[in-house]
Amino acid sequence: DSGVTQTPKHLITATGQRVTLRCSPRSGDLSVYWYQQSLDQGLQFLIQYYNGEERAKGNILERFSAQQFPDLHSELNLSSLELGDSALYFCASSEGGRGTDTQYFGPGTRLTVL
Amino acid sequence: AQSVSQHNHHVILSEAASLELGCNYSYGGTVNLFWYVQYPGQHLQLLLKYFSGDPLVKGIKGFEAEFIKSKFSFNLRKPSVQWSDTAEYFCAVTPVAGGYNKLIFGAGTRLAVHP
Repeated sequence: DSGVTQTPKHLITATGQRVTLRCSPRSGDLSVYWYQQSLDQGLQFLIQYYNGEERAKGNILERFSAQQFPDLHSELNLSSLELGDSALYFCASSEGGRGTDTQYFGPGTRLTVL
Repeated sequence: AQSVSQHNHHVILSEAASLELGCNYSYGGTVNLFWYVQYPGQHLQLLLKYFSGDPLVKGIKGFEAEFIKSKFSFNLRKPSVQWSDTAEYFCAVTPVAGGYNKLIFGAGTRLAVHP
């Protein structure tokens, strides 16, 4: 157990819908990261937050957005869902936001878009 | 653009065989290097990491990796694998410049160890 929790574990929805994925970082960690793992794209960095502020952006679609709340949990919002958005979405956290900070991963949320 | 290549997508070994998984990265600057492992049904876990210093780093569960700067490589090794090493292994880098911490992953290598 990494100490990072994600809910829900599984999510099945239809095209065009909107979903919210939730992540609670390890106690004391200020940075949260979101990654998408799909068969064709592999593991891709989406976005990083540090202490409530957006720190870095990766290959995140405009239909996707995220935020980190004052209690440091984070939510990833996916809207106008398409079949291609079906993937495993991982959250990770680290103590700081530097490249030397180890990222600890949660169990992931498996999203299936039908 | 930065990228990470893992040479083998699937590796099948017998117990006690030696393991070497290749990893090469493409980036002109300094990077931090990582190997993560994902056991079946579990989350990604850090095996080992390299930031600076001795290019031979030791990780958990008997794994080690060697950073060869001239070859942009960070290969993972284990002298004698066990059935419990069956998992998917991911090489990853973070560029040092920029001050942020996004992990760029390779495609992963699925290792199956037969008793």
